Amino acid sequence: DAGVTQSPTHLIKTRGQHVTLRCSPISGHKSVSWYQQVLGQGPQFIFQYYEKEERGRGNFPDRFSARQFPNYSSELNVNALLLGDSALYLCASAITGELFFGEGSRLTVL
Amino acid sequence: RKEVEQDPGPFNVPEGATVAFNCTYSNSASQSFFWYRQDCRKEPKLLMSVYSSGNEDGRFTAQLNRASQYISLLIRDSKLSDSATYLCVTQGGRSQGNLIFGKGTKLSVKP
Repeated sequence: DAGVTQSPTHLIKTRGQHVTLRCSPISGHKSVSWYQQVLGQGPQFIFQYYEKEERGRGNFPDRFSARQFPNYSSELNVNALLLGDSALYLCASAITGELFFGEGSRLTVL
Repeated sequence: RKEVEQDPGPFNVPEGATVAFNCTYSNSASQSFFWYRQDCRKEPKLLMSVYSSGNEDGRFTAQLNRASQYISLLIRDSKLSDSATYLCVTQGGRSQGNLIFGKGTKLSVKP
């Protein structure tokens, strides 16, 4: 079975641009969470979605938004990119307690 | 104070050594605790959950002290393949997917 898949794996953007990151959860998993991991730090919670509804939001500005689709896949959108948004963006899915992470999308903002 | 604090590391140990990682958390209402392992430039993977009674999985032992808000991970007989960053994690809020990670402690096991 496929694990959590994310796309793109790497991308480079410039300040002020917009980015959309995509995530497909493990088949049967209805919960998707997004995390930001800056180099040298642990992952930081951004959002959780369950059954297409937002169930949790971390301490991130409104430039960050997300949604979940009927097939449980999810998108993370970041507007007006800043240099500090450069990070590994991780998606995780869950059916019970354990989170399964994808390999992440590595975003570089120049 | 950070919500989850870990030993700064890095830990450089020889094969066969026993190494212990410590972690403290600030939210006394936290109910769930975990250790995740993250290899270089890879995603975090669950190593083990941590229970109040303590739990062991092969060479790995996790302990939780709720009174002190302290979590530990002990690795016995270290292998080269144990080299990774170990992340101490608690569950934040009621949202199942909301985990709070520490910065991680890097372990390097040398031959």
